[in-house]
Amino acid sequence: SQQGEEDPQALSIQEGENATMNCSYKTSINNLQWYRQNSGRGLVHLILIRSNEREKHSGRLRVTLDTSKKSSSLLITASRAADTASYFCATDPHSGNTPLVFGKGTRLSVIA
Amino acid sequence: DVKVTQSSRYLVKRTGEKVFLECVQDMDHENMFWYRQDPGLGLRLIYFSYDVKMKEKGDIPEGYSVSREKKERFSLILESASTNQTSMYLCASSALLAGDNNEQFFGPGTRLTVL
Repeated sequence: SQQGEEDPQALSIQEGENATMNCSYKTSINNLQWYRQNSGRGLVHLILIRSNEREKHSGRLRVTLDTSKKSSSLLITASRAADTASYFCATDPHSGNTPLVFGKGTRLSVIA
Repeated sequence: DVKVTQSSRYLVKRTGEKVFLECVQDMDHENMFWYRQDPGLGLRLIYFSYDVKMKEKGDIPEGYSVSREKKERFSLILESASTNQTSMYLCASSALLAGDNNEQFFGPGTRLTVL
């Protein structure tokens, strides 16, 4: 059951630009997480934002959460070629002890 | 450094073969997961386990089974491999299933091709 839906599906930007990816979900959540996946590899956890938080920062990453709109955004500032990867949001449903639900991902290409 | 390892990075099998994919974690995590990842479909949960010998079906369990005899090891079994099981298989583990700090740690993946 896919809950998170990332937008856009693919994004191509120049090095140094900012990249914004969005995630929408359907049900109430405990938290929302963002993961990164380099081509052909496993996912790596980037950041977790709780349902009572609105914004969180980690280095060049900024995540916002709007529970009223059931949406989140991931901003990568001053992007680098090494940021080229797929980015996934994952939601922790507020419906008992169930696993994270991952979206389909946004494919980011940063061109040097 | 925390680690989730998978037994093979690449695997080629024939239709009808029994296939074992092994996953080991060294973080003493209670929960372990098996996903498959296909282009355009994202990650889909096959099975997960919240304790030794315990398992729960995910979204697409058909054609798969799992085994968790030890806390650190979670095996995915394809009883009779079929071509539509050609995919990237990802294993993950987490300390908690839900709530704060339930982030998952992933292995490098196994790319399985069934001919």
